[in-house]
Amino acid sequence: SAVISQKPSRDICQRGTSLTIQCQVDSQVTMMFWYRQQPGQSLTLIATANQGSEATYESGFVIDKFPISRPNLTFSTLTVSNMSPEDSSIYLCSVEQGASGYTFGSGTRLTVV
Amino acid sequence: GQQVMQIPQYQHVQEGEDFTTYCNSSTTLSNIQWYKQRPGGHPVFLIQLVKSGEVKKQKRLTFQFGEAKKNSSLHITATQTTDVGTYFCAGPSFIFGKGTRLHILP
Repeated sequence: SAVISQKPSRDICQRGTSLTIQCQVDSQVTMMFWYRQQPGQSLTLIATANQGSEATYESGFVIDKFPISRPNLTFSTLTVSNMSPEDSSIYLCSVEQGASGYTFGSGTRLTVV
Repeated sequence: GQQVMQIPQYQHVQEGEDFTTYCNSSTTLSNIQWYKQRPGGHPVFLIQLVKSGEVKKQKRLTFQFGEAKKNSSLHITATQTTDVGTYFCAGPSFIFGKGTRLHILP
């Protein structure tokens, strides 16, 4: 299965600033997915990123707040913009592996102070 | 929209006891997946069920998909400390259940 390198693994950020999270996959994939997992909660899909097109955002998530880049088939970034404490969460990227489900990056634990 | 309800939210068991988590949907699911997330870790895929009434086993783990493809269960026999974590079911369209957090009492 694919191996995903996600960074940073954690960060503490000041409110009002932005953080960009990177995910690098060791193979080419059509779609990459970005999730948020609030402490002790389930996973919520933020958006789906296809190479060469704009990301598709789920209800409650907007491009201005969570801009995504997908410059090639092995890489994507998610930016959390103008952060507030409510954005403190774990952010995960993921790729689909067919019958082998989804493979997740190791996650970025974000704390906004 | 489609939802998957997962129960219980928490489960404490003595080491060696069995554990079961259940996932239910109001609509028919084309497939269901199960994931395990260790404390501080990320979700790791365990299995996918596709067929009505399907039963799959992985060592001490038994996964079932209901006949109507609206419910599923994960059963762990004789739990071990390595089983600690949160178990999530996931339906199609990226819908995850809320998870069942398993605590093992030594």
